[in-house]
This record gives sequence, C-alpha cells and structure tokens, in this order.
Amino acid sequence: GAGVSQSPSNKVTEKGKDVELRCDPISGHTALYWYRQRLGQGLEFLIYFQGNSAPDKSGLPSDRFSAERTGESVSTLTIQRTQQEDSAVYLCASSLAYVLAGWGGNTEAFFGQGTRLTVV
Amino acid sequence: GESVGLHLPTLSVQEGDNSIINCAYSNSASDYFIWYKQESGKGPQFIIDIRSNMDKRQGQRVTVLLNKTVKHLSLQIAATQPGDSAVYFCAENLYSGAGSYQLTFGKGTKLSVIP
Repeated sequence: GAGVSQSPSNKVTEKGKDVELRCDPISGHTALYWYRQRLGQGLEFLIYFQGNSAPDKSGLPSDRFSAERTGESVSTLTIQRTQQEDSAVYLCASSLAYVLAGWGGNTEAFFGQGTRLTVV
Repeated sequence: GESVGLHLPTLSVQEGDNSIINCAYSNSASDYFIWYKQESGKGPQFIIDIRSNMDKRQGQRVTVLLNKTVKHLSLQIAATQPGDSAVYFCAENLYSGAGSYQLTFGKGTKLSVIP
C-alpha cells in the first residue's frame, strides 16, 4: 500500500503476556518512529530508527519494551510481561530523513492508524 | 504511572471564529517545522509545514507563523468549523548526526469547536 500500515489494529491481551506489534513503513522511508498515546494524551516518543544507524531508544519506558527493524523495512515493537499501564494506542510513523545538498529535504512523517492495545 | 506532563491543554472556540494554537520548540538549530492534526481514533495527519528561512506560510484556511527569536510556532485556523475539532501537534526537525534528521513532537493541543 501507499501508506504506513500497522497490525493488528486492535489487540487485547492478558496481563503478563508478551505482545508484538508490527509496522510496515512507506517504501523508501529511511526513518521510522514508534510513539505511545494514552487515552486523551499526547504523543510519547518511544524509539527512532534511521537507516543503519544505531536506534535512538531513549524513550523506551522500561526493559520490557524493545523494537527491531531490519534495514529500511518492517519494524516490530515487543512488549514483554504486559502490564495494565501499557494499555494505549501505539503509533508508527515513517519519513525520509536525509541531507540533500546541505538542506534537510522533505522530512514530513506519515503515520499509521495505530494499534490499540488493551491489557486486561 | 500517569504521565501528567502529557495531559493535553484544551482550546475551545466558537464556530466561525479564528483559532490560534501555540507551540514552543526546544532547539534553535531546528530548521523545519510541521503541524499535524489528529482526529479521534486516527493517526496524526500533515496540515502544513514551514522552513526556518520563512516566518509565515499560508495554506487553505490555515497559516503557520514562525518566530525564531523566541522559538515559537503558531497555527492559525480561519473561520473554525466543527470538523476542525481535533488534537493538533507541532513537530520540529533537528539534525541528529550522520547526515540524518529527527522529528520531535510537541505535547499537543486539543481544539474543541462549539457549534
């Protein structure tokens, strides 16, 4: 497809179980972001991938959270031993994020529709 | 625990009036800024952008103003309509090294339009 695709769109899991969320970015986009959004709140940065550089993991809230990305393709966000506080919408975004002749280039980020995670 | 810092400020505007949503950004080296609109149950969507060599840019019913002196960005919506009710996020683009840029999002403002 032409946009960012996330799956599943909804996930209900029992406390203590592991979950894996998937993001398919727009083809050719080197940058990929994961955000968490609790109900009625803003975007909470989790992790950022840029090409083959080391990811910026500074937003991951605990060691239960991890994310992988192979090259410039699919990314998975894994939450181990889920807690009720993990319930939120997890949003993925991708963008071109490169330097063009000393200028930032078009780095608009495109978002997926998100995965709504409910931990019961 | 709850992230108090992420609770959204709310702006209530009468239908037909103009709306102004403000955003303070953090880094004077940021050179590209974007406003996003997020409707209920959807992901954020691009509204308008502006580069640091400009101080104003206009779109359809929207205008973005950039004041680099005080690191302030604003989004003006003319003749606000019920369909404008949403959460609005600003984002700044910052060089993150190794030839790449990273977008950083503000906390967001919830706009409620009163019919």
